[in-house]
Amino acid sequence: TQLLEQSPQFLSIQEGENLTVYCNSSSVFSSLQWYRQEPGEGPVLLVTVVTGGEVKKLKRLTFQFGDARKDSSLHITAAQPGDTGLYLCAPQYSGAGSYQLTFGKGTKLSVIP
Amino acid sequence: GAVVSQHPSWVICKSGTSVKIECRSLDFQATTMFWYRQFPKQSLMLMATSNEGSKATYEQGVEKDKFLINHASLTLSTLTVTSAHPEDSSFYICSARVGVHYGYTFGSGTRLTVV
Repeated sequence: TQLLEQSPQFLSIQEGENLTVYCNSSSVFSSLQWYRQEPGEGPVLLVTVVTGGEVKKLKRLTFQFGDARKDSSLHITAAQPGDTGLYLCAPQYSGAGSYQLTFGKGTKLSVIP
Repeated sequence: GAVVSQHPSWVICKSGTSVKIECRSLDFQATTMFWYRQFPKQSLMLMATSNEGSKATYEQGVEKDKFLINHASLTLSTLTVTSAHPEDSSFYICSARVGVHYGYTFGSGTRLTVV
């Protein structure tokens, strides 16, 4: 059984602050995706990381994949109100059937103007 | 990009009735689709994997007789909530895997309210 932890669950910050969201597992990921979901909508893919140690940037968002591929982080610089939403990590594990995508508990981010 | 169309966006039904939710891949073929349920302030929970031309695979604790899944074509999967009860009220979302980079695209979700 793979244990997946995403933290923090809730985060409320002022506009302009920085923040980091973490996703950790007891097992090795074959890949990991980060999604953002706004209320009443489906999640939207932000990034996929595949290689241990990989760093990807998407404007003010920086995604890092741990060297051991058991953890990942999402760092947002100078958060904006438009960053508000539910951030979800979704790892894939080797051997998973049908490429099922399961999610962490999510981090609900509120950026206050 | 790949688009998954889901409807209805919202539905209100009476207890005991059945509701069908459709999920269509508009510009690609999806041999596999996934159905999720999301309660308020919670993450998405995988309910079942829908396989074109074969039976769906349900996650532990999900009643297959209550949540009927049909995937009769490469572009359409349906979820029917049978004999709905208020506790079935939730946000239901479908998704399909797209391409070789393991990206998944999601429908816009269906808000089901059972009264």
